Amino acid sequence: GEDVEQSLFLSVREGDSSVINCTYTDSSSTYLYWYKQEPGAGLQLLTYIFSNMDMKQDQRLTVLLNKKDKHLSLRIADTQTGDSAIYFCAGAINQAGTALIFGKGTTLSVSS
Amino acid sequence: DTGVSQDPRHKITKRGQNVTFRCDPISEHNRLYWYRQTLGQGPEFLTYFQNEAQLEKSRLLSDRFSAERPKGSFSTLEIQRTEQGDSAMYLCASSLVRGLNTEAFFGQGTRLTVV
Repeated sequence: GEDVEQSLFLSVREGDSSVINCTYTDSSSTYLYWYKQEPGAGLQLLTYIFSNMDMKQDQRLTVLLNKKDKHLSLRIADTQTGDSAIYFCAGAINQAGTALIFGKGTTLSVSS
Repeated sequence: DTGVSQDPRHKITKRGQNVTFRCDPISEHNRLYWYRQTLGQGPEFLTYFQNEAQLEKSRLLSDRFSAERPKGSFSTLEIQRTEQGDSAMYLCASSLVRGLNTEAFFGQGTRLTVV
């Protein structure tokens, strides 16, 4: 079945770029998503990419998709302390997109 | 409308008791989802509704779990005869079906602790 894997931790200094990586096993998902979760808060949709695209840029966020390698990444430029959170990549289990499968999340720690 | 609302935010119950959670989705969102998240894990899909119809259920949803969305608006998730393994954050999400994009918006969750 579908599986989504992420590295568990990333530590960067304020102002640096952060790159969070994700690999997945099933490419049936039409869209792939990045969610952010802060302590005590729900999941916040950050951005998403259509599976036919290679790249999407949204202000400080850049999503890269390599369908051949089934690899998705999220780059955060000029990382701020407020970016400290857990980041989840997610894809749909089926083409209808009615159920998402999430990775275990990458904890991003930003030090000043 | 400020987003998906879940109630209660926290629930502590004794093993064997029944609990019920409520989710109010974003207005006009026709899809509503329930997920479960345990510590150190990503959310796991439980079930989803298209309007009032429950169209998909995960194998994680045992017979002790039941979800309803009677009028196609708010939803309830009931767990009967709770077990310690049910301790988790229960997340609700909603979306407006627009083509193939399932941009789901999540609530803050209900944290269940079974003692």
